[in-house]
Amino acid sequence: AQSVSQHNHHVILSEAASLELGCNYSYGGTVNLFWYVQYPGQHLQLLLKYFSGDPLVKGIKGFEAEFIKSKFSFNLRKPSVQWSDTAEYFCAVNADGQNFVFGPGTRLSVLP
Amino acid sequence: DSGVTQTPKHLITATGQRVTLRCSPRSGDLSVYWYQQSLDQGLQFLIQYYNGEERAKGNILERFSAQQFPDLHSELNLSSLELGDSALYFCASSPQVTGELFFGEGSRLTVL
Repeated sequence: AQSVSQHNHHVILSEAASLELGCNYSYGGTVNLFWYVQYPGQHLQLLLKYFSGDPLVKGIKGFEAEFIKSKFSFNLRKPSVQWSDTAEYFCAVNADGQNFVFGPGTRLSVLP
Repeated sequence: DSGVTQTPKHLITATGQRVTLRCSPRSGDLSVYWYQQSLDQGLQFLIQYYNGEERAKGNILERFSAQQFPDLHSELNLSSLELGDSALYFCASSPQVTGELFFGEGSRLTVL
């Protein structure tokens, strides 16, 4: 069965700091990978996705993620965070037509 | 606005009661997913329907049931409610089995 782990439960950064959130999955076959964001009191929204092709994918709001197949990883990055990036971030995997599996989430707090 | 509509937005009820949560997927999306989000359990997959048929089942209790109707809307029925069922219940839709998920704004259930 697929599983997704996220390295950090809670990350606290100051504005303009760089961000990297770790995501690892366990599945040996073909995967589709996603990062979702949930702003306080809101629903999950797609940040970016990887289906195939260039392993470096760019999403909305300056976020990007890199798929490293050999490491089963799909880490999320942003060079300079803003206070408005305060939210919970979820990594998700969908593999070979199986169901979506979400990681436990990482709460990001950006201090102004 | 993701195009996924959930009702009701908030629901307060008592233990032992039964409630029905409703989800209308985005126009044309055939897949509907239900997730439960609570503070201690994170985002838990409950069940998935595709074009009216149950496709995958996750951590859904026997007290819970769901269905997808011919017009593709879905209902999640929660019965014999317990305090621990208090959570946000999200519906998501997808145009195909392995496409990205579009989430509704959720139904917040409080069981007193």
